[in-house]
Amino acid sequence: DGGITQSPKYLFRKEGQNVTLSCEQNLNHDAMYWYRQDPGQGLRLIYYSQIVNDFQKGDIAEGYSVSREKKESFPLTVTSAQKNPTAFYLCASRSEGGFYEQYFGPGTRLTVT
Amino acid sequence: KQEVTQIPAALSVPEGENLVLNCSFTDSAIYNLQWFRQDPGKGLTSLLLIQSSQREQTSGRLNASLDKSSGRSTLYIAASQPGDSATYLCAVFTGANSKLTFGKGITLSVRP
Repeated sequence: DGGITQSPKYLFRKEGQNVTLSCEQNLNHDAMYWYRQDPGQGLRLIYYSQIVNDFQKGDIAEGYSVSREKKESFPLTVTSAQKNPTAFYLCASRSEGGFYEQYFGPGTRLTVT
Repeated sequence: KQEVTQIPAALSVPEGENLVLNCSFTDSAIYNLQWFRQDPGKGLTSLLLIQSSQREQTSGRLNASLDKSSGRSTLYIAASQPGDSATYLCAVFTGANSKLTFGKGITLSVRP
C-alpha cells in the first residue's frame, strides 16, 4: 500500500526543546515537502527537497532544519529558535512523469508549552 | 509572484444542492492545478488534477474546470451530501522552483 506516513500523530514538547517530525514515503518520489498549517493562514512551505542530499528553504524556514539522506525519508526538526512552533505539520511528495501530482501525509500536530 | 484566491472562505448549503467552488490565480503560466479535500485534523486528499492543456476533469460527482487565460478554476459538486462537508483547497504548480501555491481553502458545510 503506497503512501506517506508521518509520526507521531500528536507531539507535545516543552519550550526550549528541539523536536524531530518523521516523514516516510514509499511512492518512489524524488521531491518531498514540509508545510505548516495554522488556522486562517493556509499552508506555508517550510522546506522542500527535489533530490537526495539536496534541499531548499521555503517561505518560513527560520527555526527549522531538514535532512534528506534517503529518498524515502525527509525528517523535519523544529528547533528552539522557532518562536511559535505550535501548529499542524504536513509532509508531501510529488510524482514525476509529467503529471507532477502532490500527495500528502496525515500530518503531525505539535504542541509546545 | 503567484497568488491563489478562494472566495468565500466558508459556505453552507442544504443537502442535495449542486454547488460550485471558485479558485482564481494571478499568473496564467501554470503547469497544472490541483483540487484537494481536507477533513478536520487530517492531511490533504487529492481530488482532481487538471493539466494546463486540459479544460476539465471529472471524478464521480466532482467536475473541475480550468480557464487558464482568465486565471480561474471551478470545482462543481453535484447532489451534495453531508459527507462532502470539509475544506476544499486549490493549488497551482508553475514548474518554476518546483513549488505549489495554495489558496486558503473554502470550508463547506452540507446541512442534512
